[in-house]
Amino acid sequence: QQQVKQSPQSLIVQKGGISIINCAYENTAFDYFPWYQQFPGKGPALLIAIRPDVSEKKEGRFTISFNKSAKQFSLHIMDSQPGDSATYFCAASIGNFGNEKLTFGTGTRLTIIP
Amino acid sequence: EAGVAQSPRYKIIEKRQSVAFWCNPISGHATLYWYQQILGQGPKLLIQFQNNGVVDDSQLPKDRFSAERLKGVDSTLKIQPAKLEDSAVYLCASSLGHSETGTDYEQYFGPGTRLTVT
Repeated sequence: QQQVKQSPQSLIVQKGGISIINCAYENTAFDYFPWYQQFPGKGPALLIAIRPDVSEKKEGRFTISFNKSAKQFSLHIMDSQPGDSATYFCAASIGNFGNEKLTFGTGTRLTIIP
Repeated sequence: EAGVAQSPRYKIIEKRQSVAFWCNPISGHATLYWYQQILGQGPKLLIQFQNNGVVDDSQLPKDRFSAERLKGVDSTLKIQPAKLEDSAVYLCASSLGHSETGTDYEQYFGPGTRLTVT
């Protein structure tokens, strides 16, 4: 069964700190690993994504670290801000360039406190 | 660029009743997805269309759920009859579909329809 395990379930970080969310997968056929951000009452929105040919991808304050041998990947949010408070989902798919079937993790509710 | 539109935003029905959700994807997007998001969980794919053909419906409870995408644009998802465990947010997403360059595979999600079955 294709699964993506995500932790922690909830996370509280002080403003300016680093938020770290971890995911692990089992299916070695997965080759696309996106992170989605979801605010209450909204649909998920793509935040950043990585393919397994690189070990790290950075976009602004958001970084994905990818460990292919351990089948793990994580999201790091640097200088966390109150506006980052949301639920974050990792996901994985077997890419087919436009026809990806995403398998989502269970989500992490992130709260940034002043 | 207009996003993915869904209606209604909220729906409350009693068990054994029927309900239908509507989705209008981003213009030009060939691939359309319906997800079920139960409270506290990640979205789970129910069905995926490529234009007006079904690509994957392996996780769609076909005894009560049905979906169609006539003319390869709008889509409707129907539940008949509803059960208590169908209470969830139903998300529609779309993507540009197959690209010659291998890009443009991002899925764009609508705001969802929150269904409560009592």
